[in-house]
Amino acid sequence: AQKITQTQPGMFVQEKEAVTLDCTYDTSDPSYGLFWYKQPSSGEMIFLIYQGSYDQQNATEGRYSLNFQKARKSANLVISASQLGDSAMYFCAMREDSSYKLIFGSGTRLLVRP
Amino acid sequence: DAGVIQSPRHEVTEMGQEVTLRCKLISGHNSLFWYRQTMMRGLELLIYFNNNVPIDDSGMPEDRFSAKMPNASFSTLKIQPSEPRDSAVYFCATQFRDTNTGELFFGEGSRLTVL
Repeated sequence: AQKITQTQPGMFVQEKEAVTLDCTYDTSDPSYGLFWYKQPSSGEMIFLIYQGSYDQQNATEGRYSLNFQKARKSANLVISASQLGDSAMYFCAMREDSSYKLIFGSGTRLLVRP
Repeated sequence: DAGVIQSPRHEVTEMGQEVTLRCKLISGHNSLFWYRQTMMRGLELLIYFNNNVPIDDSGMPEDRFSAKMPNASFSTLKIQPSEPRDSAVYFCATQFRDTNTGELFFGEGSRLTVL
């Protein structure tokens, strides 16, 4: 069964510095996708970045990059040059390509300090 | 995302009352998901529709919950009778046909409080 683990309930980072949010997953399906979402205090879920299990390169979207280590089953989110507006909950999620279910981790609350 | 519109945004009701949450989809989707978010259980998938047909409702907590999708752009989630433990944020989400990565786009959520 697929499973997503986020071990950091909360993180602090200084403005303008980089931060890494951890995510590990478990699946027996060889083909799957990994997703990160941001949930600010206003509550909406905002899609940030996607990594496919067969992608050779780590995904990047602006200041977001995904450090994908397939053998370790980890998909950490790296936010570079943190901004105050990055303060939010961040969720890692996974979907096996054989399924429609997007399964979420428990989330990490990031606080960016000025 | 403007493609998924939920109403009401906030609902406060008393235990035993019927609650109906609504989700409207703008064109381009092929699926609809209802999720529930609570502090204790995180984000849980309640039900999944594809082409207006319920494919998986195994996440629906109990018979008090029901969901319908009468057409391709509209769905309702009903709780009758409501209980305090139903208090949560309910999200509607969809997957647009022209994405090859399959990410879900979420509505802004409906925050339900049952007193």
